[in-house]
Amino acid sequence: SQTIHQWPATLVQPVGSPLSLECTVEGTSNPNLYWYRQAAGRGLQLLFYSIGIDQISSEVPQNLSASRPQDRQFILSSKKLLLSDSGFYLCASEASRGSTDTQYFGPGTRLTVL
Amino acid sequence: QKEVEQNSGPLSVPEGAIASLNCTYSDRVSQSFFWYRQYSGKSPELIMSIYSNGDKEDGRFTAQLNKASQYVSLLIRDSQPSDSATYLCAVSRNYGQNFVFGPGTRLSVLP
Repeated sequence: SQTIHQWPATLVQPVGSPLSLECTVEGTSNPNLYWYRQAAGRGLQLLFYSIGIDQISSEVPQNLSASRPQDRQFILSSKKLLLSDSGFYLCASEASRGSTDTQYFGPGTRLTVL
Repeated sequence: QKEVEQNSGPLSVPEGAIASLNCTYSDRVSQSFFWYRQYSGKSPELIMSIYSNGDKEDGRFTAQLNKASQYVSLLIRDSQPSDSATYLCAVSRNYGQNFVFGPGTRLSVLP
């Protein structure tokens, strides 16, 4: 079974500062990877997904970007954080099992922008 | 129209009762259906998946799917206070990037 790591677990950053969140996956190869954001009391908002190295699709235009430099590494970045970037950031891995795909989540990073 | 809809709750049930959580979806091409549980401050964890019409049971949990009505539900029997969490419904077309989550229903099981 796969294991998803995220770090840091929590982060407090000032407005205008850069951001780098990392997600790594063990126990599977060539997974589809996803970044979601969950604002307080809200549902999951899909930010980016990747089907392979350097293959990134953006779902919501904003000041965030994503990169996938290795098969099992997915990075979420920003050059300048906004207050509205605060939230719970979740990385998910979708490993195919036959004809059905299931998403599993990492432990998440809680980001507070002050 | 939202793609996946759930009653936000909170749904309150007494300990030992059956909790019934409902979800409707708009995409008729959807093939896979999932229920996740999310405790406050934690990431979602998969409880059950269902792919065919009818019922699927796993311990105290039963998922029910009706594709004609575009409706999927989760029943929790003998509800426990530890079941108190937000339950997310997710729907997928399969084969990639069409995994859609509902907003979640908050369940509170009262001792």
